[in-house]
Amino acid sequence: AQSVTQPDIHITVSEGASLELRCNYSYGATPYLFWYVQSPGQGLQLLLKYFSGDTLVQGIKGFEAEFKRSQSSFNLRKPSVHWSDAAEYFCAVGEGAQKLVFGQGTRLTINP
Amino acid sequence: KAGVTQTPRYLIKTRGQQVTLSCSPISGHRSVSWYQQTPGQGLQFLFEYFSETQRNKGNFPGRFSGRQFSNSRSEMNVSTLELGDSALYLCASSLGMTADTQYFGPGTRLTVL
Repeated sequence: AQSVTQPDIHITVSEGASLELRCNYSYGATPYLFWYVQSPGQGLQLLLKYFSGDTLVQGIKGFEAEFKRSQSSFNLRKPSVHWSDAAEYFCAVGEGAQKLVFGQGTRLTINP
Repeated sequence: KAGVTQTPRYLIKTRGQQVTLSCSPISGHRSVSWYQQTPGQGLQFLFEYFSETQRNKGNFPGRFSGRQFSNSRSEMNVSTLELGDSALYLCASSLGMTADTQYFGPGTRLTVL
């Protein structure tokens, strides 16, 4: 079965600093990978996804992620975080049609 | 285009009762998936419906069931509620093809007392 690991439960960064959230997956074939963000009391919003092709994927809100097959990783990055980026971030792998397997999430806190 | 809507947003039930949650997908989407989110277990897939047929099912007991109507709206039902069923229930809709983006609703917060 597929699995997703997000090693960092909670990360704190200062506003304006760079950010990298880690994601490792376990999947036999070429994975479909996603990053979602969830603000308190809200549903999930898609930041970006990898399906095939270019391994560096650009998303919304200035986020990007890089797919590295050799490391089974799909880390999310942002060069300069804003206070509004404080939220919980979920990495997910698609299993079959329309089933997502999620990591446990990383809670991001922004220091002013 | 209107997003995914879920009703009700909040629900309080007691043990042993049953509950029905509703999800209206984005217009034109034929797939609806349901997820349970708890602090302990995280986000877990319940089931997915496509064109009124359950196409995929997660590892949940038979107390959890769902259906989809011809207009793609979906309902999920939980019978004989247990305290551990307290969770945020999220539904997501998509066009239904592999790797299609799933768009999530705001969720229904179920509390079982």
